[in-house]
Amino acid sequence: AQKITQTQPGMFVQEKEAVTLDCTYDTSDQSYGLFWYKQPSSGEMIFLIYQGSYDEQNATEGRYSLNFQKARKSANLVISASQLGDSAMYFCAMREFQRGGGNKLTFGTGTQLKVEL
Amino acid sequence: NAGVTQTPKFRILKIGQSMTLQCTQDMNHNYMYWYRQDPGMGLKLIYYSVGAGITDKGEVPNGYNVSRSTTEDFPLRLELAAPSQTSVYFCASSPSPQETQYFGPGTRLLVL
Repeated sequence: AQKITQTQPGMFVQEKEAVTLDCTYDTSDQSYGLFWYKQPSSGEMIFLIYQGSYDEQNATEGRYSLNFQKARKSANLVISASQLGDSAMYFCAMREFQRGGGNKLTFGTGTQLKVEL
Repeated sequence: NAGVTQTPKFRILKIGQSMTLQCTQDMNHNYMYWYRQDPGMGLKLIYYSVGAGITDKGEVPNGYNVSRSTTEDFPLRLELAAPSQTSVYFCASSPSPQETQYFGPGTRLLVL
């Protein structure tokens, strides 16, 4: 079974600084995908960034980048130039294909990020 | 572009009551999913569907039922509500298994 571990329950960062949110995963699959979602206090789940297991380059989306280290099974999210609006819960998730088609996302327990002035 | 919509936003049920959580997407996605999120936790898959007429169980299906008569709609039925079903329920859709899932705003359910 797949597993996602996020060891940082909470993080603080000063506005305009960079922050790294940790995520490690465990899978026996050769083909998998890793996602990061943001959940603000309003509750919705917002897709941020995706990394495929065969992608050679680290994924980037604006201020978000994914530091993918396959041998270490880590997929850390880096947020550059933090903004107050980045304060939210962040979830790392792994895609697992289901027997009937479709896929399931296995989620970590999340990291609560607070951006301070 | 509405994306994935869910109704209701919030509901209180008494133990033993039943209800249907509605989910509709306007992106013509074949794949749809229902997750639940318990306090302080990540999401867990309840049921999923790969197209109209085809559904399958996820990680935590007990106490729930689904149907998929159209591409757009994927309702989740709770029979005989229990306090353990107090949670936030998210519906999601994706165009294919390889692509990201897009989530609805969630339904907060309280069973007393």
